[in-house]
Amino acid sequence: AQKVTQAQTEISVVEKEDVTLDCVYETRDTTYYLFWYKQPPSGELVFLIRRNSFDEQNEISGRYSWNFQKSTSSFNFTITASQVVDSAVYFCALSEAPTMHSNYQLIWGAGTKLIIKP
Amino acid sequence: DAGVIQSPRHEVTEMGQEVTLRCKPISGHDYLFWYRQTMMRGLELLIYFNNNVPIDDSGMPEDRFSAKMPNASFSTLKIQPSEPRDSAVYFCASSFPTRDRNKASGNTIYFGEGSWLTVV
Repeated sequence: AQKVTQAQTEISVVEKEDVTLDCVYETRDTTYYLFWYKQPPSGELVFLIRRNSFDEQNEISGRYSWNFQKSTSSFNFTITASQVVDSAVYFCALSEAPTMHSNYQLIWGAGTKLIIKP
Repeated sequence: DAGVIQSPRHEVTEMGQEVTLRCKPISGHDYLFWYRQTMMRGLELLIYFNNNVPIDDSGMPEDRFSAKMPNASFSTLKIQPSEPRDSAVYFCASSFPTRDRNKASGNTIYFGEGSWLTVV
């Protein structure tokens, strides 16, 4: 069975601090995709990153970085020098590779609410 | 590029009325998803389509809910009759699966801005 665990329900930090959001996943598939989405207070779901299971390179995009480790089944997200605008709920999600027999859908973590205080 | 477009963005309706939510997926995407988000249950997949054909509707809560995709660029989610417990944000999303590793945007599910439904 597939599962995504975001153990941190809520994190609160002061602006400019670095913060890491944890994501641990379970899957039996050898090919899968991992995602992070951001849901700001306005409510939309914003795609941040997709990582393929066959690509373990870490990724950096500005103040955002992602650490994918298959050995620990983790896909953690770090925000460096956090800003108030980073305040949002962040979701980690997993999907199988779509095939005729797979159930192609996202398995969602419960989300981590990140509060950045000025 | 236009993203997933949903309408209406906000709807307030009275219990018993019919509600129709609309979605235009990203052009070229052959998967379309309807999700519902509530505080109590989080994000739930209601139904998804592949090439306009419903593949899995096991998440549709009951017969009051129906979804159609008459063509590749349009889908509707209908609730008839609506009830207060249907109040939620309904998201439409689309994707194009690919085994081509060079297609960076493949296999990514993109969401619309959501339709905020309140049934009173």
